[in-house]
Amino acid sequence: GENVEQHPSTLSVQEGDSAVIKCTYSDSASNYFPWYKQELGKGPQLIIDIRSNVGEKKDQRIAVTLNKTAKHFSLHITETQPEDSAVYFCAANMNTGFQKLVFGTGTRLLVSP
Amino acid sequence: DADVTQTPRNRITKTGKRIMLECSQTKGHDRMYWYRQDPGLGLRLIYYSFDVKDINKGEISDGYSVSRQAQAKFSLSLESAIPNQTALYFCATSESGQGGTQYFGPGTRLLVL
Repeated sequence: GENVEQHPSTLSVQEGDSAVIKCTYSDSASNYFPWYKQELGKGPQLIIDIRSNVGEKKDQRIAVTLNKTAKHFSLHITETQPEDSAVYFCAANMNTGFQKLVFGTGTRLLVSP
Repeated sequence: DADVTQTPRNRITKTGKRIMLECSQTKGHDRMYWYRQDPGLGLRLIYYSFDVKDINKGEISDGYSVSRQAQAKFSLSLESAIPNQTALYFCATSESGQGGTQYFGPGTRLLVL
């Protein structure tokens, strides 16, 4: 089955710096890769996703890149702000008729003013 | 109003007790999921349901059961709670089809003494 590894587990940056979180997946048939942000006391919320037919997607200060050959994808946050502090999860789907997501173990991002 | 709601938000119970966690959604989605979140382990799938008549086990279903009472309602039961079921539980929904975004509820924090 699919296995998703996520690094680093914690990341501390200064406000205004960039942050990068990386994930690798094992199932070459996976074709959907979402990123979720979880704030304290809340459920995960989708912030950006990418499908296997594109290599990069941007939405304002966040971007995701996908390397299908190497089976890894990354989340990039530029000009970080204190409100970006949260736990971020990557996920990959299992390419079956059912949209089952396998999640990484999460990255706690701390942005210091 | 929230699209995906969970009750209760917090629960303390004793070993051996039966408890039920409830999830309701107003998004009109066919698919519903129950996840468990533990520190350092990410989100792991307990059960998922394609529709009212279709329920499937996830990767960690032992000790849990579910009921899909209607399209909008999906309940998770712990038949005889044990301390290692202490965790944060999330319900999620998605549309049918591959690569559909999953929308999470706010979570239920369960403590089994």
